[in-house]
Amino acid sequence: GNSVTQMEGPVTLSEEAFLTINCTYTATGYPSLFWYVQYPGEGLQLLLKATKADDKGSNKGFEATYRKETTSFHLEKGSVQVSDSAVYFCALRDMGRRALTFGSGTRLQVQP
Amino acid sequence: GAGVSQSPRYKVAKRGQDVALRCDPISGHVSLFWYQQALGQGPEFLTYFQNEAQLDKSGLPSDRFFAERPEGSVSTLKIQRTQQEDSAVYLCASSLEQAGYTFGSGTRLTVV
Repeated sequence: GNSVTQMEGPVTLSEEAFLTINCTYTATGYPSLFWYVQYPGEGLQLLLKATKADDKGSNKGFEATYRKETTSFHLEKGSVQVSDSAVYFCALRDMGRRALTFGSGTRLQVQP
Repeated sequence: GAGVSQSPRYKVAKRGQDVALRCDPISGHVSLFWYQQALGQGPEFLTYFQNEAQLDKSGLPSDRFFAERPEGSVSTLKIQRTQQEDSAVYLCASSLEQAGYTFGSGTRLTVV
């Protein structure tokens, strides 16, 4: 079956530090890949996505590249802000299905 | 409406009680999804509707869980004879075909 594995948190960084949150996946086909963010007290929001190998998704300074050879979709940001503090979820959607499979989430805490 | 609305926001149920959770999707969104998010975990798929048709209910954990969307808009997730392991946040999401999801803020169910 499909699965998504994320690095465990919390990840604690100082403002302006470089961020990497690792995500690897297992899927039977060629999935689309997503990063969602959940701010305290709010619903999940789509952060970025990539639909095929070597695609790079980007939004709000965050980037992730779909690496088929390593089955990975690591999230990066060059300079984090306190406002980036949230829980980040990696997810996939397999071809022919509408449901998403999520990782367990990684909490990011950015300190001023 | 502007977003996906879920009610109630919080629900405390005694073990064995039946509960009903409501989801108002974005107007015109054809697809509707329910997910269950246990504490510290990522959301797990429960069921999916396209208009009023329930096309995938493979994630429902037992026959105590039942979902409906009789007119293709509002959906209700019903849990009969609640048990402590049902305690979780229940998330609803809606989308247009081939578009990304919009999640609601969820209903936090606590079974005591």
